[in-house]
Amino acid sequence: SQKIEQNSEALNIQEGKTATLTCNYTNYSPAYLQWYRQDPGRGPVFLLLIRENEKEKRKERLKVTFDTTLKQSLFHITASQPADSATYLCALTYSSASKIIFGSGTRLSIRP
Amino acid sequence: NAGVTQTPKFRILKIGQSMTLQCTQDMNHNYMYWYRQDPGMGLKLIYYSVGAGITDKGEVPNGYNVSRSTTEDFPLRLELAAPSQTSVYFCASSYSRASGRAGNEQFFGPGTRLTVL
Repeated sequence: SQKIEQNSEALNIQEGKTATLTCNYTNYSPAYLQWYRQDPGRGPVFLLLIRENEKEKRKERLKVTFDTTLKQSLFHITASQPADSATYLCALTYSSASKIIFGSGTRLSIRP
Repeated sequence: NAGVTQTPKFRILKIGQSMTLQCTQDMNHNYMYWYRQDPGMGLKLIYYSVGAGITDKGEVPNGYNVSRSTTEDFPLRLELAAPSQTSVYFCASSYSRASGRAGNEQFFGPGTRLTVL
């Protein structure tokens, strides 16, 4: 079965630096890869989507890359701020499926 | 738009009791989902629906039932609650592929925190 791996250890970054989170998957590549943000006690919020034929997608301070050879996506937050502190979830969608498979998330902490 | 709403926000059940978690969306999404999230863990899919009258099992369906009589509502029923069902439950919805939107990016409700004692 398909597996998604995200770094289970929390990532602590100094404010202003670039935070980079990793999402690795096994088996075949998804049609789409998504990133969500989840704050404590709240539901996940969609951030970005990248297609399998795209290498990179940007939105403001966020950047996502997708490498189907490495079976990996990287999620970057540039000029990080304490308000960026949250758990970030990676999710995969396959073209034949109606559902999404979520990773367990990486907790990011930005210290002032 | 209110988006995805869930009720109740919190609930404590005794072992063996039953309850229904309500979920409503006002975005005219065809697809709806129920997930559970245990502390420090990711989301596990319980059931999903691709349209009114159509439901299907996810990864962890045992102990739960769903129905989808309208596009807007997707209630989750717990029968004979067990301590293993203590979790936070999230409902989500998304556009269908027929809408032309890609990737099924999902819109989540605020969650229901359930404790079974």
